[in-house]
Amino acid sequence: DTAVSQTPKYLVTQMGNDKSIKCEQNLGHDTMYWYKQDSKKFLKIMFSYNNKELIINETVPNRFSPKSPDKAHLNLHINSLELGDSAVYFCASSQQPGDNEQFFGPGTRLTVL
Amino acid sequence: KQEVTQIPAALSVPEGENLVLNCSFTDSAIYNLQWFRQDPGKGLTSLLLIQSSQREQTSGRLNASLDKSSGRSTLYIAASQPGDSATYLCAVWQAAGNKLTFGGGTRVLVKP
Repeated sequence: DTAVSQTPKYLVTQMGNDKSIKCEQNLGHDTMYWYKQDSKKFLKIMFSYNNKELIINETVPNRFSPKSPDKAHLNLHINSLELGDSAVYFCASSQQPGDNEQFFGPGTRLTVL
Repeated sequence: KQEVTQIPAALSVPEGENLVLNCSFTDSAIYNLQWFRQDPGKGLTSLLLIQSSQREQTSGRLNASLDKSSGRSTLYIAASQPGDSATYLCAVWQAAGNKLTFGGGTRVLVKP
């Protein structure tokens, strides 16, 4: 059973398009996260939701909008895609924010042409 | 602002040798430190989580130590195998900002 799953695994699109990435966890966790891993392999937090409420919002352009319909899902919608948005996006979850182990999804490789 | 550094950035060892991976962080006000493994094109796999009150954690051939006051953690992998080849990332959950901050990773190659 996949604990944290993401779709799609690969996403290739043109500049200016709008796209969404979906994430689901079946671990019963309360907290979910989106991370971005750039070409230099640095991982940075983007957003975190706890019980469907936003608790972390790093300095991410407002073209990125996370949506959490329920505790098990955290989707990421990106408007007006730019070349610099090309990266691997990872979803993760933990029991609660803070002192709990985080479990990561397989990642979505986004390429903007 | 928390900064996490991993040195070296890359490491190549013959099979059977012990691996020592270093992680340092600038702000010692952390809740925990977590070590991950990332295989090429794959997600992250959690290896060990050390709470700020702990000094070390062990799992099989892996042992991670934490010296919070000096801002350091070390991951030891005993008797390395080619299957240990991957990138190893450390990350700290800091009290301020309520987020996980990652190091740049150490890319490990274990040669048969």
